[in-house]
Amino acid sequence: AQTVTQSQPEMSVQEAETVTLSCTYDTSESDYYLFWYKQPPSRQMILVIRQEAYKQQNATENRFSVNFQKAAKSFSLKISDSQLGDAAMYFCAYRRAYSGAGSYQLTFGKGTKLSVIP
Amino acid sequence: GAVVSQHPSRVICKSGTSVKIECRSLDFQATTMFWYRQFPKQSLMLMATSNEGSKATYEQGVEKDKFLINHASLTLSTLTVTSAHPEDSSFYICSARDSSANTMNTEAFFGQGTRLTVV
Repeated sequence: AQTVTQSQPEMSVQEAETVTLSCTYDTSESDYYLFWYKQPPSRQMILVIRQEAYKQQNATENRFSVNFQKAAKSFSLKISDSQLGDAAMYFCAYRRAYSGAGSYQLTFGKGTKLSVIP
Repeated sequence: GAVVSQHPSRVICKSGTSVKIECRSLDFQATTMFWYRQFPKQSLMLMATSNEGSKATYEQGVEKDKFLINHASLTLSTLTVTSAHPEDSSFYICSARDSSANTMNTEAFFGQGTRLTVV
């Protein structure tokens, strides 16, 4: 079974600064997807960024980028120029890449609560 | 983008009663929907996979008689918490994927969640 570990329960960052959230995972599969989801106080899950394991290039979405190290099974999220609206819970998640039973199910880490200091 | 609507957003019920939560895909059809449970300050745990026209697939440890799932149409899945008890109080979230998407490269969308409080 796949597991996702987020070792930082809480993090804080000064507004306009950069912060990196850590995530490691364990899987025996060679192809999969990794995600970072944001859950603000409204509790709505928002997809921040996605990485396909077969792609070596790290995904980027505006101020959000990842450092994907497949051999180390590491998937960290970097938030640049942090804004007050970035304050939220951030979940790292894993999904299989095949279309059989169990596909599209997400396995989540325990989350990191990010605070942004004005 | 695609929208998944979950209703109600909050519900309070008495112990022993049943509560139904709806998950609708508003602008796409979803043969598969997922139900997650999130305890306070914890992660989302998959409870079951809802399959249109067939039985749901429950994760280990989830009581299928306690959490009844019905996926009678391509746009609606319901989760009924039967004989609710205070320990069932939690945040329940559904997600749905567009069935017309023909690749694995399409993600599921999440509903807004339902906060259930059993008193």
